[in-house]
Amino acid sequence: SFVLTQPPSVSVAPGQTARMTCGGNDIGRTGVHWYQQKPGQAPVVVVYDDSHRPSGIPERFTGSKSANTATLTISRVEVEDEADYYCQVWDIFTDQRVFGGGTKLTVL
Amino acid sequence: EVNLVESGGGLVQPGGSLRVSCVGSGFIFSDYEMNWVRQAPGKGLEWVSYISSSGNIKYYADSVKGRFTFSRDNTRNSLFLQMDSLRVEDTGVYFCARSDKSGWHYFDSWGQGTLVTVSS
Repeated sequence: SFVLTQPPSVSVAPGQTARMTCGGNDIGRTGVHWYQQKPGQAPVVVVYDDSHRPSGIPERFTGSKSANTATLTISRVEVEDEADYYCQVWDIFTDQRVFGGGTKLTVL
Repeated sequence: EVNLVESGGGLVQPGGSLRVSCVGSGFIFSDYEMNWVRQAPGKGLEWVSYISSSGNIKYYADSVKGRFTFSRDNTRNSLFLQMDSLRVEDTGVYFCARSDKSGWHYFDSWGQGTLVTVSS
């Protein structure tokens, strides 16, 4: 089954670019989705199917994927972007949904 | 506006049972596949279970298979998660989450969650 690996933490200064990765074998055969979760709140999808942005999500949020690694990039980081970010996939062989362990983004 | 509201959480002893519910509004409930996702205190997200729009197809995470049962009542726009043989490690916030309709199986709307605490 899928195992998705995310770095526990990423730190960036306001105005800079944050990059968060999500690695896993066979990640290339399924879409990768990204969620933002702020303390005490439910998660919100910020990128779906590798690189698509839902309506209402700023263009600063972009997703990409290459080989066994997906990346969420936040350009011109703002203080309000500080949150936990999770990647997620659908395992087409088991029909299970799988989350990565999450990355805590700290805006210094 | 899509709205999902969970209820039924509480304190239960190990080995006990609890049923949590979720009511949906603002969309055609019977058209959508739904899920439960949980989050242990201070930990990450864990997908728990999926149910098809009609309720005929269900999938479970290995960690809950055989102990949890997911059902729905489309006449009442409601979901139910029956949790039996509860363990301390089942403690957490339980979110209901709607599956997208694009076929990529991501969660496009979430409730605010209900807290389940398993402790003696």
